[in-house]
Amino acid sequence: KQEVTQIPAALSVPEGENLVLNCSFTDSAIYNLQWFRQDPGKGLTSLLLIQSSQREQTSGRLNASLDKSSGRSTLYIAASQPGDSATYLCAVSAGTALIFGKGTTLSVSS
Amino acid sequence: KAGVTQTPRYLIKTRGQQVTLSCSPISGHRSVSWYQQTPGQGLQFLFEYFSETQRNKGNFPGRFSGRQFSNSRSEMNVSTLELGDSALYLCASSLGDRGYEQYFGPGTRLTVT
Repeated sequence: KQEVTQIPAALSVPEGENLVLNCSFTDSAIYNLQWFRQDPGKGLTSLLLIQSSQREQTSGRLNASLDKSSGRSTLYIAASQPGDSATYLCAVSAGTALIFGKGTTLSVSS
Repeated sequence: KAGVTQTPRYLIKTRGQQVTLSCSPISGHRSVSWYQQTPGQGLQFLFEYFSETQRNKGNFPGRFSGRQFSNSRSEMNVSTLELGDSALYLCASSLGDRGYEQYFGPGTRLTVT
């Protein structure tokens, strides 16, 4: 059974800091991995999608990597801003269902 | 292109009642998935519909059901509501084949009293 773990559960940083969020999964047989952002009480916004054949994806200040063999992904956020404060979720796809981690709640102080 | 829409956004029901939630996918998307989000369990997959057929199902009791119409719009129904069904219900759509990116709606917040 696929399990997804995100560490840390919460993170507080000052504005301008570079940071890394971690995601691990137990079964390497995945189609892709998605990183999402969720603001309190809101839906999910897709940030990056990495196909199983890819090693990384970049969008603006965000960079996500995928090491399928070790069951790990990282989301790198450069020059963090207060507007980045949210919960970040990673999810793996092994078919048509996404399996989610519990998320990392990020707080960026100005 | 309009995003995924869900109605209603908020709902309050009493134990024992039933409820129907609606989801309209992005135009051209044929797959609709439903997820339940609670503080304790996080996000859990309920079921997925593709071309009006349930293609995948999560580990939820039979009180949770859904359907998809020919225009890809989907509804989910929960019968005999329990307090534990209070949650944010999220709908996601994708083009349909495995591996495609999923796009989520804003969710329906269901409170059962």
